[in-house]
Amino acid sequence: VQLQESGPGLVKPSETLSLTCTVSGGSISSYSLNWIRQPPGKGLEWIGNIYYSGRTNNSPSLKSRVTMSVDTSKNQFSLRLSSVTAADTAVYYCASQGYWGQGTLVTVSS
Amino acid sequence: EIVLTQSPGTLSLSPGERATLSCRASQSVSSNYLAWYQQKAGQAPRLLIHGASSRATGIPDRFSGSGSGTDFTLTISRLEPEDFAVYYCQQYGSSVQTFGGGTKVEIK
Repeated sequence: VQLQESGPGLVKPSETLSLTCTVSGGSISSYSLNWIRQPPGKGLEWIGNIYYSGRTNNSPSLKSRVTMSVDTSKNQFSLRLSSVTAADTAVYYCASQGYWGQGTLVTVSS
Repeated sequence: EIVLTQSPGTLSLSPGERATLSCRASQSVSSNYLAWYQQKAGQAPRLLIHGASSRATGIPDRFSGSGSGTDFTLTISRLEPEDFAVYYCQQYGSSVQTFGGGTKVEIK
């Protein structure tokens, strides 16, 4: 199973960060897809997860700004984080059952 | 949410030595759903241990996990040069998952 994150590397403050995770080489339909981020030089932060059914769980600290969705026909998962600030600058990963994408750096700057 | 506290923050050891890393949870981890990851600079984390003590596919047997409830340990029996990295624990037993702050294992 391979996971690949994609999306803009630069987002302006107050705008919405949008990322896609594409799953290939197998199915994770029985499991959840997790979003995790890592600010430069810092530790890992769990953002939330989503199942193929569309059921989601979110970190309380980000809950009000996070939207996750799934397109089962394309094996694609999406993350949207609204009202971003510089504190949202991080490498964003998608992961499931021990498989991780390589991560994508998103910088919030004007 | 469950807070995971890892200790020590940094472990300075020599190749061949034994490393013992601790992960303490603020409340019991359901079904011992506790994982350990290794992360090297510029790379995604690599799963080492899941279910507190089960090695992931392809992980050498010098890595072992133990513990239950609120106290968990990752042991590296004899450090190899490639083992110097940052290690994170993660609990996935509750609907809100959390990571520990990490332990850096550095060369003494």
